[in-house]
Amino acid sequence: QQQVKQSPQSLIVQKGGIPIINCAYENTAFDYFPWYQQFPGKGPALLIAIRPDVSEKKEGRFTISFNKSAKQFSLHIMDSQPGDSATYFCAARSGNTGKLIFGQGTTLQVKP
Amino acid sequence: NAGVMQNPRHLVRRRGQEARLRCSPMKGHSHVYWYRQLPEEGLKFMVYLQKENIIDESGMPKERFSAEFPKEGPSILRIQQVVRGDSAAYFCASSPGSDSEAFFGQGTRLTVV
Repeated sequence: QQQVKQSPQSLIVQKGGIPIINCAYENTAFDYFPWYQQFPGKGPALLIAIRPDVSEKKEGRFTISFNKSAKQFSLHIMDSQPGDSATYFCAARSGNTGKLIFGQGTTLQVKP
Repeated sequence: NAGVMQNPRHLVRRRGQEARLRCSPMKGHSHVYWYRQLPEEGLKFMVYLQKENIIDESGMPKERFSAEFPKEGPSILRIQQVVRGDSAAYFCASSPGSDSEAFFGQGTRLTVV
């Protein structure tokens, strides 16, 4: 019940495309859902996060869509660029437990 | 405001030796978390500490692993008698509160030979 399932494992798109990464969870106590971007050899960097009281959040080219009833959330990257090529992780956290439960990661390649 | 600082960035240990990984949280952050990332896998929670207290160690292996966050100085993740399976990237994150955004360091890549 503590798992967060992420798909796809890898994704290749052309420059300008809109990659979509999906995550699903079971624990209804989760109330904070961040997305992290990680480049090789670096630590994860917070990209965007959402709480379940909203269904969508946009920050620049990144959008999170959240479906509370389905217990699913997804990341959309608009007008993707080669510099967006990285590994993306969704995560979830409940209340003030502090700990993040991460998905397995999606390796994105944006071709020029 | 410097980010989360981890050192060393790379650490090589022989089987049976001890590994000490250090993490200095961001200024103003009193909550520290350690995660482990195996190759091609996601990050797995290990332990959550506040100053001088372990809040949640549910992800820590029962043996050989310990963590501390003293009143003064960095948080330390200690692995005794390392084995090849301990080879991984270890990341530290910090936050000002348990329900706040967490910021990650660059990680320590441990290789056991």
